[in-house]
Amino acid sequence: GAGVSQSPRYKVAKRGQDVALRCDPISGHVSLFWYQQALGQGPEFLTYFQNEAQLDKSGLPSDRFFAERPEGSVSTLKIQRTQQEDSAVYLCASSLRIYEQYFGPGTRLTVT
Amino acid sequence: AQSVAQPEDQVNVAEGNPLTVKCTYSVSGNPYLFWYVQYPNRGLQFLLKYITGDNLVKGSYGFEAEFNKSQTSFHLKKPSALVSDSALYFCAVRGLGNEKLTFGTGTRLTIIP
Repeated sequence: GAGVSQSPRYKVAKRGQDVALRCDPISGHVSLFWYQQALGQGPEFLTYFQNEAQLDKSGLPSDRFFAERPEGSVSTLKIQRTQQEDSAVYLCASSLRIYEQYFGPGTRLTVT
Repeated sequence: AQSVAQPEDQVNVAEGNPLTVKCTYSVSGNPYLFWYVQYPNRGLQFLLKYITGDNLVKGSYGFEAEFNKSQTSFHLKKPSALVSDSALYFCAVRGLGNEKLTFGTGTRLTIIP
């Protein structure tokens, strides 16, 4: 496809469950980013990959959050033992280094 | 550290009038500045960017933005607003050597017919 795709679009998890969110970046884009957007807020940086290397994970809120991009293309954001405060929209973006980032539609996670 | 301020949560403009959405930033060194627009239940769409060069940059849908280094501002503008411009607008900044974007809290733009 032409753009960044994310799946699932919506996810409801019971507190304590593990979830996995998938991102398919634009083909050929070296850089991949994950952001968290709480209701009424701007996106906040979680982590960044250049190819398969995770170069910055300073935004991950706790060790329950884990991201990977093993072959330098598709990425998965995993949240273990979900908590209510994890409820948010998780956005994935890809880019060609210094240029603009292109965002996917996001996954809306609701933890009940 | 890098940061962005969007001082207005809400901006209302009559259709056909010019619009301005304000943004100021803080970053070490030269900034890379971006505007994105978000429609309901959709991801962020890129509008325009300033990397270097001309202070006035033009983007999608007739939008433009002016980079002002002395005022550390990057206000979004459009000469004549359309009802379809109603959406949530985000300003973002990144510094040289820092790949991550830092976003403002967003400005909801409403164009009144």
